[in-house]
Amino acid sequence: GQNIDQPTEMTATEGAIVQINCTYQTSGFNGLFWYQQHAGEAPTFLSYNVLDGLEEKGRFSSFLSRSKGYSYLLLKELQMKDSASYLCAVVDSNYQLIWGAGTKLIIKP
Amino acid sequence: ETGVTQTPRHLVMGMTNKKSLKCEQHLGHNAMYWYKQSAKKPLELMFVYNFKEQTENNSVPSRFSPECPNSSHLFLHLHTLQPEDSALYLCASSRDSGVGSDTQYFGPGTRLTVL
Repeated sequence: GQNIDQPTEMTATEGAIVQINCTYQTSGFNGLFWYQQHAGEAPTFLSYNVLDGLEEKGRFSSFLSRSKGYSYLLLKELQMKDSASYLCAVVDSNYQLIWGAGTKLIIKP
Repeated sequence: ETGVTQTPRHLVMGMTNKKSLKCEQHLGHNAMYWYKQSAKKPLELMFVYNFKEQTENNSVPSRFSPECPNSSHLFLHLHTLQPEDSALYLCASSRDSGVGSDTQYFGPGTRLTVL
């Protein structure tokens, strides 16, 4: 079967750095997405990785290792507004998105 | 971001009611999707439409009936639902449905409660 694993919840302090991990086992791989979802709102696109390595975009970076079936989202200089759920999703061989259950990130002052 | 809109935002219905959810995208995309999001569970893909044609139906019960009259509008018709169908229903769109790198853009969702 297909499986995406990410921690259910994480807590971090304002101004700090946090890394949210995602491991996957899917039938084929055509890329990996990270989305942010604030409570009661739409998921919004953060990043897309299809090649190994680190992609940096402002305070957010996303890393991919296809051989290890592993990705992480790195958030720097955390702000209170970063409190949200972070969803990992893999594009499988049928070009369907397979979603993780999301990681709820709580930022404390 | 108002690229994808959904109405209503909240809906409470009885098991014998018939209601419809509406989604509209203003992004010029060709693919539209319905997802179900339940608490602490992964997003479940329900239906995919590409150029108004249904390309995916992930074994969704017949009490959910999608309709896509054009590339900008998508409906989900609901009838004789069960309490376990209570969830957030999300609509999304993308340029195409068969390209891995195409980002899906989501609407704010309809929070459905079935009594």
